[in-house]
Amino acid sequence: GDSVTQMEGPVTLSEEAFLTINCTYTATGYPSLFWYVQYPGEGLQLLLKATKADDKGSNKGFEATYRKETTSFHLEKGSVQVSDSAVYFCAGGGRGSTLGRLYFGRGTQLTVWP
Amino acid sequence: DTEVTQTPKHLVMGMTNKKSLKCEQHMGHRAMYWYKQKAKKPPELMFVYSYEKLSINESVPSRFSPECPNSSLLNLHLHALQPEDSALYLCASAPYTGELFFGEGSRLTVL
Repeated sequence: GDSVTQMEGPVTLSEEAFLTINCTYTATGYPSLFWYVQYPGEGLQLLLKATKADDKGSNKGFEATYRKETTSFHLEKGSVQVSDSAVYFCAGGGRGSTLGRLYFGRGTQLTVWP
Repeated sequence: DTEVTQTPKHLVMGMTNKKSLKCEQHMGHRAMYWYKQKAKKPPELMFVYSYEKLSINESVPSRFSPECPNSSLLNLHLHALQPEDSALYLCASAPYTGELFFGEGSRLTVL
């Protein structure tokens, strides 16, 4: 079945450091791919998405590119801030007969120190 | 309006109580969902409603009973819960493009 594999955390960085969180997917087709962020005590917020190969999603300085050849959707940010500290979830799925059935990665806890 | 609103934000109940969680969205999405999230884990799908009809039940125990009164509202009725049901319950809605829009969640504690 479909699945998403996400790098294990936690990840601890200093402010202004470069961030990469790896995500790969396994699917019978080519799902839409998403990154969600969850701040402490809150629900999940959609951070960015890509619906087809070579699409680049971007938002708030975060970027991820849908790479069909490597089945990957790695999250990157050039300069993290303390306010980026949160849990990040990679997810895939979301169209056609599987509408809304997103497959979530295990989540990566990011802590940014000043 | 891009919000999914959930009430209450916090709920404490005993194992013999009956309570309900409520969810509302006004984005015109025709798919609505309940997820359960334990600490430090990804959300787990419980139910999916599509066009106000239950389309997916992920083998959820009958002590959880979903209801979709109309296209904007989703309820989760709770009865005779167990302490292990304590978790964050997330409601979400989705347009045809499939991305989920989540509410802030209802944090449930079962004593």
